[in-house]
Amino acid sequence: ETGVTQTPRHLVMGMTNKKSLKCEQHLGHNAMYWYKQSAKKPLELMFVYNFKEQTENNSVPSRFSPECPNSSHLFLHLHTLQPEDSALYLCASSRLWQVQETQYFGPGTRLLVL
Amino acid sequence: DQQVKQNSPSLSVQEGRISILNCDYTNSMFDYFLWYKKYPAEGPTFLISISSIKDKNEDGRFTVFLNKSAKHLSLHIVPSQPGDSAVYFCAASETGANSKLTFGKGITLSVRP
Repeated sequence: ETGVTQTPRHLVMGMTNKKSLKCEQHLGHNAMYWYKQSAKKPLELMFVYNFKEQTENNSVPSRFSPECPNSSHLFLHLHTLQPEDSALYLCASSRLWQVQETQYFGPGTRLLVL
Repeated sequence: DQQVKQNSPSLSVQEGRISILNCDYTNSMFDYFLWYKKYPAEGPTFLISISSIKDKNEDGRFTVFLNKSAKHLSLHIVPSQPGDSAVYFCAASETGANSKLTFGKGITLSVRP
């Protein structure tokens, strides 16, 4: 039980669709993260929210739009994606945005863009 | 170019024996290192970490060794158990505010009963 949930677990979308990924953490953490894991590639950090403020955008294309309405919820809004965006999208949270603070990951959303 | 490399994609060991998972890094500014374990259909879970002020950290069956001069770290699992079968990710970072984790591609460990 990691305390971090993600929905949906699987998503298939066309390039013209708009969809959203949801992440919720029940750990009372203040930092939340979106990571992307493409096939045969390492996990890549996309965004960091620290106390609900976006503090990191790791050169992510604008077709990915994060939203953090409160410290427990994190969304990733998707629009006009490309097939190469197909990947596993992982959400994580930690008490603080410091590397010594353990990041707890959700199970991920496996996205397929057709 | 990858700053954290796990060059062996997979490892198979017999139950009860030692598993040694290797990781190399190129960024000399990295001073904090972590290992995560991932089972299928689950997110990665933190396993063990080490700061560059140490060369060894032990937690039960898991020990991480750090060789700063070689920019190399390894995770030892002794004795290996079938439940250890998973993907193991090495990650590295510079300590300090706003630091990011840089992950390797992962190693798939299979422990044979």
